[in-house]
Amino acid sequence: DAMVIQNPRYQVTQFGKPVTLSCSQTLNHNVMYWYQQKSSQAPKLLFHYYDKDFNNEADTPDNFQSRRPNTSFCFLDIRSPGLGDAAMYLCATSRETGGTSYEQYFGPGTRLTVT
Amino acid sequence: AQKVTQAQTEISVVEKEDVTLDCVYETRDTTYYLFWYKQPPSGELVFLIRRNSFDEQNEISGRYSWNFQKSTSSFNFTITASQVVDSAVYFCALSEGGYSTLTFGKGTMLLVSP
Repeated sequence: DAMVIQNPRYQVTQFGKPVTLSCSQTLNHNVMYWYQQKSSQAPKLLFHYYDKDFNNEADTPDNFQSRRPNTSFCFLDIRSPGLGDAAMYLCATSRETGGTSYEQYFGPGTRLTVT
Repeated sequence: AQKVTQAQTEISVVEKEDVTLDCVYETRDTTYYLFWYKQPPSGELVFLIRRNSFDEQNEISGRYSWNFQKSTSSFNFTITASQVVDSAVYFCALSEGGYSTLTFGKGTMLLVSP
């Protein structure tokens, strides 16, 4: 089945130790998103790629970076995780034509714990 | 600026009851899109429906129905004969214009007890 896959599902890292979360998709969608979701809150968009164009949200900390080496894969790098970065990280994809907004399809998420 | 308000933080019902989740939105654009997502305890957001601003027809899908009213800027979601498996957090979301990112409401947690 076509889907959005996130690895790992659970990640434990130490305070200040860089960590990378990965996302892949078989939907061939041109847009990929990374969200951070903390307990009992709505997902918060960190950044997204429209094709190869990177779009950073104004309030996303510099500590968060992203890479999209090809259409199928996207990575979230947290350079120096702090305790406040513990959260669920959700990857999503959508197909956008520039004239219409389509639904986003989400992966199962990676729950990050910072010790 | 766009905004989505889900005033109900948590709703508890007993199985087989009907329940309506409210969503009120604000936007200055004439072209926009509204969405509902379900997030069960497993964590994955599941897409339920997408509606554009030019289509005010209500929609029914099995036990789910949606009432879109531009006059009141609302896009409410009703579950008929609720089931325990409907227990989840439900998010309403909005995107403006031809393409933009989603603005989510804060979500409504629905608890359906047997």
